[in-house]
Order: sequence, then structure tokens, then C-alpha cells
Amino acid sequence: GQSLEQPSEVTAVEGAIVQINCTYQTSGFYGLSWYQQHDGGAPTFLSYNALDGLEETGRFSSFLSRSDSYGYLLLQELQMKDSASYFCAVRWGAGGFKTIFGAGTRLFVKA
Amino acid sequence: GAVVSQHPSRVICKSGTSVKIECRSLDFQATTMFWYRQFPKQSLMLMATSNEGSKATYEQGVEKDKFLINHASLTLSTLTVTSAHPEDSSFYICSATTSGGGTDTQYFGPGTRLTVL
Repeated sequence: GQSLEQPSEVTAVEGAIVQINCTYQTSGFYGLSWYQQHDGGAPTFLSYNALDGLEETGRFSSFLSRSDSYGYLLLQELQMKDSASYFCAVRWGAGGFKTIFGAGTRLFVKA
Repeated sequence: GAVVSQHPSRVICKSGTSVKIECRSLDFQATTMFWYRQFPKQSLMLMATSNEGSKATYEQGVEKDKFLINHASLTLSTLTVTSAHPEDSSFYICSATTSGGGTDTQYFGPGTRLTVL
């Protein structure tokens, strides 16, 4: 089956850098996505890595190592509004058709 | 970016009634739509995948006769929760993609919060 592991909670201070790790086990892996979800809202797409390496989008970066079945989301210059849940998600199956979400990491940003 | 809407955003119903939730892609044609359910403080669980004009594919453990999915057009999919019970209370979220595969981004709707009394 498919499984993803990520920390349940992370706390950091404003302006700091935080890294949220994700390890996965799946067959037919296509890529790793990251989503942000604020309380009461729907997930919003942050990034997608299909190949090894680092992808940077503004303050957020995402990394993937396919050989290690591992990825991370890096958030820099943390702001209070970054307090949210962050989900890693694996695209898998024939054609990368399905997405399985991790349990989510709750990020608390303190002043 | 692409926009996906859901209606209603919030619904409260009595036990035993049926509720229909609509998911629309507003500015693109979605060949594939996904329906997820999320209980409080938990992750999104994929319920089913629907392709326009064909029957939905349900995930293991999801009752297809209870959660009826119709994908009648390239911009609309509906989820009907039949004979709803309090345990069906949840946040239902749809997502849409142009082809469903590879690197295509999934665009999520804003979700529908269902409360069954």
C-alpha cells in the first residue's frame, strides 16, 4: 500500500526557517506535492516535485530525493500567516492518476 | 490560476435525508474530478475519482450506493450523500484536473461542510 509520514506539529518563531520532512512508501511513484491548509479552508497547492532536487518558489522551497523516498518543504522568513497545516501528497499509480495525502503537519508560528 | 467552486459551502440536514454537493470548474474543462472527505484535524481521504461521461471509481471502503457521484459534463461533478447519518458529517472537498495524470495540478474547491443532525 501507500503510506506517508510527516511530523504532526512544528513550532517556530517569526522570521525563522523551518523544514517539514516527508517520507513515503508507494508503488508507481510520480511525484511529491505540498499543500497548505488554514483552519476551515480548503488545501492550496504549494509545489510539486517529480525529479530530484530543489524547487524554489518565493519563500517556499521543496526538495525531493526519489532514491531515499524523501522530501521536504522549506519555509523561510516565517510570517504569522504561515501558521497552518501542511500536507505532503504523493502522486502515484498508472499515469500519476491518484493522490494520497499525508496526515499533515501543524505549523505554529510565534511572535 | 484555475478556479473550482463548490455549492453549497455549508449544509445542515436531518438524518435520513439526501444532500447533493456540486463541484464546478469555472475556467477550464476538467476531464477528471476527485472527491475527498476530511474529518476534523485529519488528512484528506480520497473517496472517488470521476471522469466525464463514465462511472466513478471508488476507493476501498467507500460505499458507492451511499455516495453517488455523477460527472455529467466537463465542468460539473456532483456528490450525493444518500440517507445521511451523523457519522457522515464531514468536510467534503472536490478537486479537478485537466487530465488527472503526470504533473497536472489538482485545483481544489473551497469545500462543503456537511452537518447531519
